Amino acid sequence: KQEVTQIPAALSVPEGENLVLNCSFTDSAIYNLQWFRQDPGKGLTSLLLIQSSQREQTSGRLNASLDKSSGRSTLYIAASQPGDSATYLCAGTGFQKLVFGTGTRLLVSP
Amino acid sequence: GAVVSQHPSRVICKSGTSVKIECRSLDFQATTMFWYRQFPKQSLMLMATSNEGSKATYEQGVEKDKFLINHASLTLSTLTVTSAHPEDSSFYICSARDHSAGRELYGYTFGSGTRLTVV
Repeated sequence: KQEVTQIPAALSVPEGENLVLNCSFTDSAIYNLQWFRQDPGKGLTSLLLIQSSQREQTSGRLNASLDKSSGRSTLYIAASQPGDSATYLCAGTGFQKLVFGTGTRLLVSP
Repeated sequence: GAVVSQHPSRVICKSGTSVKIECRSLDFQATTMFWYRQFPKQSLMLMATSNEGSKATYEQGVEKDKFLINHASLTLSTLTVTSAHPEDSSFYICSARDHSAGRELYGYTFGSGTRLTVV
């Protein structure tokens, strides 16, 4: 059974810092790994999708990497902004189903 | 990218009544949709997989008679919370994925969620 863990659970940083969010999964037979953002009381917004054959994806200030052999993915946020404050969730895809991590609550202070 | 619309965004109902939540794929066909439940400050828990034209597949511990799922068309799945009780109050979110050529790179798309409060 796939289990996904995210570290840290919460993170508070001043504006402008570069930061790394970590995601670990137990089953290396992961198909895709997807990073999401969730604002309070809202649905999920997809940030990046890394297919199993890929090692990283980039979108603007975001870069996500995937290392299946070690069971890890990281989300790198460059030059953080207050608007980046949200909960970040990673999710691994097996056969159709998404298995979500526990989330990292990020607060970026001006 | 693929768009999933979910309605209503908020609903308050009396204990014992039933509530229906709709999930629509707006620009693609979805033979499979997923329903999640989220408690405050917790991650998403998969409740069931909705299959177009057939019965939904429920996760262990989810009461199928309590949470009725209907997926009658390729663009619409509904979740009905029957005989709702205060403990059913939660945030419900649906998801789908566009498997058409070239769009699989978008991954899973989520609705905006429904906040259900049972009083």
